[in-house]
Amino acid sequence: SQQGEEDPQALSIQEGENATMNCSYKTSINNLQWYRQNSGRGLVHLILIRSNEREKHSGRLRVTLDTSKKSSSLLITASRAADTASYFCATGNQFYFGTGTSLTVIP
Amino acid sequence: DAGVIQSPRHEVTEMGQEVTLRCKPISGHDYLFWYRQTMMRGLELLIYFNNNVPIDDSGMPEDRFSAKMPNASFSTLKIQPSEPRDSAVYFCASRGSSDTQYFGPGTRLTVL
Repeated sequence: SQQGEEDPQALSIQEGENATMNCSYKTSINNLQWYRQNSGRGLVHLILIRSNEREKHSGRLRVTLDTSKKSSSLLITASRAADTASYFCATGNQFYFGTGTSLTVIP
Repeated sequence: DAGVIQSPRHEVTEMGQEVTLRCKPISGHDYLFWYRQTMMRGLELLIYFNNNVPIDDSGMPEDRFSAKMPNASFSTLKIQPSEPRDSAVYFCASRGSSDTQYFGPGTRLTVL
């Protein structure tokens, strides 16, 4: 399976702190994507990193990719209460998703 | 564009009844995906279409589930007969030339 798996399953931080979540996968990939899901909503695409990239930034988001370790991390800096959501990684043409990291940002 | 449209948003039915979920993908997108999300199993890919043709239906749990895409702007997921364990949120997503999937708001299905 090319399914990505997120870690930790749950994360609770104070507003203003940074949040880091990780994704591990099993096979070679062309790219890896991160999505966010707010409670009761569909997933929303956040950022894509290609296999030949090591780091990518988008606003307060920073994604790294280590293809030798088959892992990726998503860093959200200066977190806000509105960042409270579940975060998923997807690989293998993004058809398969992991179980997600549930992030709670406490105001 | 209105995004991916799903209907109904909520469906409550009794065991044994037929359920039909509907999806309108984003115009111009050539991939359409059906997912099911539950607390126990997470987000599962059920089936996906490319240019209206089913490519991989290995995630469809059993013969009670069927999906069709009669044209580029419409797809259905049917459960007949429905069972309480089918209760979940069902998402439709579409994708165009980029690698990004766009998800609909989901249909929350409750089978009593």
